[in-house]
Amino acid sequence: DAGITQSPRYKITETGRQVTLMCHQTWSHSYMFWYRQDLGHGLRLIYYSAAADITDKGEVPDGYVVSRSKTENFPLTLESATRSQTSVYFCASSEWQGAPYEQFFGPGTRLTVL
Amino acid sequence: GNSVTQMEGPVTLSEEAFLTINCTYTATGYPSLFWYVQYPGEGLQLLLKATKADDKGSNKGFEATYRKETTSFHLEKGSVQVSDSAVYFCALSAPDLKTSYDKVIFGPGTSLSVIP
Repeated sequence: DAGITQSPRYKITETGRQVTLMCHQTWSHSYMFWYRQDLGHGLRLIYYSAAADITDKGEVPDGYVVSRSKTENFPLTLESATRSQTSVYFCASSEWQGAPYEQFFGPGTRLTVL
Repeated sequence: GNSVTQMEGPVTLSEEAFLTINCTYTATGYPSLFWYVQYPGEGLQLLLKATKADDKGSNKGFEATYRKETTSFHLEKGSVQVSDSAVYFCALSAPDLKTSYDKVIFGPGTSLSVIP
């Protein structure tokens, strides 16, 4: 199916464990993004990527690592999960950056760190 | 820096009521403005957009006009339906002086519940 998918949709893990959230898009969009959504904070950008092998930090990158070896995939890794990383994570893609190009969002991954 | 402010929610309306969700922004230069909608259990999707002053974006009965003089982009709908229950995010896109890329900034979201 065309679109942007995320896996897993739900994840429960323990403090200190490594977790990887997957994101896959079928449009060959150049730009991909990772956001976290928390009550009271709205959406905050963690990392973004302009193309394969090009990534850059967003607003809240600490504790996260990304890679982009292929255009269609943009995994997000929590190297050592902390309770403060409990959140809903959204991946998005865009043909180009900024206006007037919209971002297309995946369905989200709800992560709970115990 | 650039920012987006939205009215506090949650907002509860009866079906067929008039909806206004206020959005104001702070930005240098000439940002583009967006409204995204998030239905329960889903990701965000673009509802409408406007790229220059006085532009009106519209979609699915929703409208918003880019008002540069008041730095606002209020979302309106004349008659809401139960199916409009969702969280609405105002957003702007403007050049980021640190990276030269356009950066999208989202407001905190406004939750809307429409009751029959």
